[in-house]
Amino acid sequence: NAGVTQTPKFQVLKTGQSMTLQCAQDMNHNSMYWYRQDPGMGLRLIYYSASEGTTDKGEVPNGYNVSRLNKREFSLRLESAAPSQTSVYFCASARDTENTIYFGEGSWLTVV
Amino acid sequence: DAKTTQPTSMDCAEGRAANLPCNHSTISGNEYVYWYRQIHSQGPQYIIHGLKNNETNEMASLIITEDRKSSTLILPHATLRDTAVYYCIVRVMNRDDKIIFGKGTRLHILP
Repeated sequence: NAGVTQTPKFQVLKTGQSMTLQCAQDMNHNSMYWYRQDPGMGLRLIYYSASEGTTDKGEVPNGYNVSRLNKREFSLRLESAAPSQTSVYFCASARDTENTIYFGEGSWLTVV
Repeated sequence: DAKTTQPTSMDCAEGRAANLPCNHSTISGNEYVYWYRQIHSQGPQYIIHGLKNNETNEMASLIITEDRKSSTLILPHATLRDTAVYYCIVRVMNRDDKIIFGKGTRLHILP
């Protein structure tokens, strides 16, 4: 089992560029999440998806879009990157009948 | 907003018990208390969870007050490897919903 896999691990973007962070899980989980973590700060929820075909806003959704392509994959898109989006992004998944939230390794994004 | 409040940081001497408090005064009857920790910049790791009874596993113990408005995570013999940010969250089991982490407590284990 790979668990939760995120790509890319590192990315540098110029202001105004777009990019998509990919996330996939192989645990047949219903729920998937995208968080961002700024230096010295806690995790903040960007978007989440309770099931395939549904997405909902979290605490800080502005500037992002998401797609729950299928049960396995949940992507996060930055349409026009801004320096304020420089952060570490974590994807996570959870199953409603289990207790544990599983996290990916993180994606380090720098917008210059 | 996070439904929990935690101290920003704490220190604990190596080998001593680390007691990390969490307030969740608005917790609902069907919400569980979960604890996670994040070491360096890794993804958070599950530690323990509970509803109203005290819980213990190989990593830690969880003490929940009788009114369930607060809880304490106990690391019985802290080591340097326990230096991390510890997050307390509340969540309804068996329901897919958003999970808010808050800022957590930065625990420093002192040699």
